[in-house]
Amino acid sequence: EPEVTQTPSHQVTQMGQEVILRCVPISNHLYFYWYRQILGQKVEFLVSFYNNEISEKSEIFDDQFSVERPDGSNFTLKIRSTKLEDSAMYFCASSGLIADTQYFGPGTRLTVL
Amino acid sequence: QKEVEQNSGPLSVPEGAIASLNCTYSDRVSQSFFWYRQYSGKSPELIMSIYSNGDKEDGRFTAQLNKASQYVSLLIRDSQPSDSATYLCAVKMAGNNRKLIWGLGTSLAVNP
Repeated sequence: EPEVTQTPSHQVTQMGQEVILRCVPISNHLYFYWYRQILGQKVEFLVSFYNNEISEKSEIFDDQFSVERPDGSNFTLKIRSTKLEDSAMYFCASSGLIADTQYFGPGTRLTVL
Repeated sequence: QKEVEQNSGPLSVPEGAIASLNCTYSDRVSQSFFWYRQYSGKSPELIMSIYSNGDKEDGRFTAQLNKASQYVSLLIRDSQPSDSATYLCAVKMAGNNRKLIWGLGTSLAVNP
């Protein structure tokens, strides 16, 4: 069964450093998403991406965040200058063109020290 | 502010019982409704989606939607210890945007 994959599973970084989180969405999906979940809190939408551009972003997704689809399979989230409060689980998801059901990857746990 | 509310629990049921999980949402024009299961430290795993008023059954799971009351529920029949997890309700608003708005989740414990 096709699945979303994410790497790395755990990333530890120093405050102010740049990190890139990587995702491989399900191959025939066209919509891609990033969500995050701070420990004990709700899952929060960050950004959606379709047709090589951002289709929607939340207030959280400020100038320190960016997304990219560098090739036909990968979808990345870059955090330019990490802050302590960026520590969270980051989930990538994808969905098809017609069906809006989103399937999630296993997540990357980001720890900012 | 569009909100999705769930009773955080914990909800504790004996093995074999029916577990009933509830979710309310604030935006009347919400379009699509999803139940996900999340084990501790893991990602959300889709259980069911529901789009129309009424019941939708899939195996031991039944989702119920009442748009007039802005209420969606999930019933788990013949609960098993492996069902012990947090159940997340997620709502997609009407329109072209696809973001999901999430509840905090209800923690379910099924006791052998």
